[in-house]
Amino acid sequence: QKEVEQNSGPLSVPEGAIASLNCTYSDRVSQSFFWYRQYSGKSPELIMSIYSNGDKEDGRFTAQLNKASQYVSLLIRDSQPSDSATYLCAASNAGGTSYGKLTFGQGTILTVHP
Amino acid sequence: NAGVTQTPKFRILKIGQSMTLQCTQDMNHNYMYWYRQDPGMGLKLIYYSVGAGITDKGEVPNGYNVSRSTTEDFPLRLELAAPSQTSVYFCASSYLQGNGELFFGEGSRLTVL
Repeated sequence: QKEVEQNSGPLSVPEGAIASLNCTYSDRVSQSFFWYRQYSGKSPELIMSIYSNGDKEDGRFTAQLNKASQYVSLLIRDSQPSDSATYLCAASNAGGTSYGKLTFGQGTILTVHP
Repeated sequence: NAGVTQTPKFRILKIGQSMTLQCTQDMNHNYMYWYRQDPGMGLKLIYYSVGAGITDKGEVPNGYNVSRSTTEDFPLRLELAAPSQTSVYFCASSYLQGNGELFFGEGSRLTVL
């Protein structure tokens, strides 16, 4: 059974702080990892993807991947109240018969307070 | 482009009724997916399709059926609705050979009473 685990939170940080969201996965075959943001009552939207070990930065967001530890994280710098949402971590096997099927974690609720 | 469009957005069903959730995308994506999301949970894959005429089961297919007669449309059929199918259903599509970067529809909230 492939599993992706997240701390469901809620995680509360003050405006301007760094929010750190964590995710672990059990299937060592997983190759591709994604962070989706989901506002309350809305659909998920992709904010970051990461495929190789190390860090990947995009604006205020940094995704980190450590395949040896089976660990993925998302850092949000200078957190804003508009970042308040549920963050979903997802994993996929690359290519082959994976067909882009994702295994999602249960999501971490992030609240950024002014 | 409208992206991925789902209808209806809300529906209440009685136990034993059947219905179809519609999903259409105008991005010419080959890969399409149906997920369900229960409160406080992540998304579970119900069915997916890699192109017209090709569908396969996901993690939680029981009680559902799909078809894919065109690239654009991927309807999800619920037969004999049960309270356990109360959920929010999301249709999604992917443009790059199913690489996991998904575009989601707005969701359909289904309640079975």
